[in-house]
Amino acid sequence: EAGVAQSPRYKIIEKRQSVAFWCNPISGHATLYWYQQILGQGPKLLIQFQNNGVVDDSQLPKDRFSAERLKGVDSTLKIQPAKLEDSAVYLCASSLRAGGPETQYFGPGTRLLVL
Amino acid sequence: QKEVEQNSGPLSVPEGAIASLNCTYSDRGSQSFFWYRQYSGKSPELIMSIYSNGDKEDGRFTAQLNKASQYVSLLIRDSQPSDSATYLCAVNPYTNAGKSTFGDGTTLTVKP
Repeated sequence: EAGVAQSPRYKIIEKRQSVAFWCNPISGHATLYWYQQILGQGPKLLIQFQNNGVVDDSQLPKDRFSAERLKGVDSTLKIQPAKLEDSAVYLCASSLRAGGPETQYFGPGTRLLVL
Repeated sequence: QKEVEQNSGPLSVPEGAIASLNCTYSDRGSQSFFWYRQYSGKSPELIMSIYSNGDKEDGRFTAQLNKASQYVSLLIRDSQPSDSATYLCAVNPYTNAGKSTFGDGTTLTVKP
């Protein structure tokens, strides 16, 4: 079974530029999560999708971050414009069923550096 | 107060010893508890989940949950150098059983 795929793996941009990350979850997984992990901290949930609907985006900085999950499969996370404090690893995870305490499978992450 | 708190460490134990990692949480309504291992530069990997009070054993790992005291712990027996990693505690609330709030992790070093 293929794991969660993410791209790109690394990205370096200057502040005020925009950037987009892509995630392809494990086939058949209903729930998809985007996390931000700043160095030395645990992952922080940005947004949680159930199929193609948003379950929780309470910690998503909506003035600059946006995310979508078209057709309930792939997802993109965008930052526009980026700030220095957005430098972090962006992790995508997926779980099989919706709404339950399911095992989350993480992708390799995208490491973002904002200069 | 953070929702999920862990000692940042580093925690250092000799090879073959028992490593004890602790986590406390603030939401008394939390229902699901997870321990993840994260190697440097890698993504988190689930190693244990626990949902009810008491102990749950899986190989060298034992998770312990005490909802009354709002803490969950992870014991690693016969620690190996390959266990050296950051261990993240995650807690899911009753209101959204799929949403995990993570602690900042405890870094464990197992010395040969």
